[in-house]
Amino acid sequence: GENVEQHPSTLSVQEGDSAVIKCTYSDSASNYFPWYKQELGKGPQLIIDIRSNVGEKKDQRIAVTLNKTAKHFSLHITETQPEDSAVYFCAASSTGNQFYFGTGTSLTVIP
Amino acid sequence: DAGVIQSPRHEVTEMGQEVTLRCKPISGHDYLFWYRQTMMRGLELLIYFNNNVPIDDSGMPEDRFSAKMPNASFSTLKIQPSEPRDSAVYFCATSRVFYEQYFGPGTRLTVT
Repeated sequence: GENVEQHPSTLSVQEGDSAVIKCTYSDSASNYFPWYKQELGKGPQLIIDIRSNVGEKKDQRIAVTLNKTAKHFSLHITETQPEDSAVYFCAASSTGNQFYFGTGTSLTVIP
Repeated sequence: DAGVIQSPRHEVTEMGQEVTLRCKPISGHDYLFWYRQTMMRGLELLIYFNNNVPIDDSGMPEDRFSAKMPNASFSTLKIQPSEPRDSAVYFCATSRVFYEQYFGPGTRLTVT
């Protein structure tokens, strides 16, 4: 099955700085890569996703890049704000198949 | 829309008891997923349904776990008998297509 690794497990940045979280996957059949934000006591919330036919996708301060050859994808958050503090999960899936999640990154944005 | 609704939000039970978790999907969402989240194992997909039919239950840990979706508006995840190692947060998620899942608030289960 798929194996998704996520780094770092914790990340602290100053408000206004950028944050980058990286994930690698093992199954070359994986073609969908979502990122979720989970706040304390809540369920994960989809914030951005990318499919394997695209190399980069951006939504305001959030961007995701995908390198299919190297089997890794990254989440980039620019101009971080305290409300960005949460646990972020990456995931990988192939069409109509299992979702495999990374182990999560706890992001703290220091005001 | 109210989003995905899960009940109860918290459940404390004794080992050996039956536990039933409930989920009401977002209207119009044809896919429903049950996940379990623990510190040790992270987020795990247990089972998912498409149009009320179970499609993949390979993540269900053992026969003590069962899930049903009798109609498009309701699903249950049952654990019988429950064990302390079942303690976790259980999430229900739904979507119109396989991707772009919307998660509920979760049920925190504690088995003593």
